[in-house]
Amino acid sequence: EDQVTQSPEALRLQEGESSSLNCSYTVSGLRGLFWYRQDPGKGPEFLFTLYSAGEEKEKERLKATLTKKESFLHITAPKPEDSATYLCAVQARESNYQLIWGAGTKLIIKP
Amino acid sequence: DAMVIQNPRYQVTQFGKPVTLSCSQTLNHNVMYWYQQKSSQAPKLLFHYYDKDFNNEADTPDNFQSRRPNTSFCFLDIRSPGLGDAAMYLCATSRDPGDEQFFGPGTRLTVL
Repeated sequence: EDQVTQSPEALRLQEGESSSLNCSYTVSGLRGLFWYRQDPGKGPEFLFTLYSAGEEKEKERLKATLTKKESFLHITAPKPEDSATYLCAVQARESNYQLIWGAGTKLIIKP
Repeated sequence: DAMVIQNPRYQVTQFGKPVTLSCSQTLNHNVMYWYQQKSSQAPKLLFHYYDKDFNNEADTPDNFQSRRPNTSFCFLDIRSPGLGDAAMYLCATSRDPGDEQFFGPGTRLTVL
């Protein structure tokens, strides 16, 4: 069964304290893996798409990486405004639209 | 700026009273999606349109219907809302199936 698991469920960091969020997946052929950021009461905001193992993408303090089993979202020197829930979703090769979502990691950055 | 717009942002309805949520997009994307998201849960896909072709998820209740009168607009109709339908409803678009999806701000539905 296709599945996405994100860890940890919640992460509290001090401002400037770098860390990583994990997204583990099992899918019968990966078409793409997507990272989103969601602020409370708002819709998810698209961050990255990764398609193949070894691929990396960066945006400001965020860097997403992909292996055959998992993806990491590395956050370097975070600021309080990086606080949000980070969602990971995968799309299987046999599905041309359905996303399988993880439950998200709630990130809190304390000043 | 190209974007996905949802109206209203907050909707309060009474148990059993029909309600319509709207979504519009200026991205000129071919695919429009409706998701339901409950507190601390991942979004759950209800249905999507690829151009005019409607695709209903197998577990979407019959109480939920959708219309896409043109490329830019899509509506979610809840015929008889129950207390369990209280949630955030998210509209998203993608250029084509399989492409990254762009979400609107959502409509928070409260059922009294």
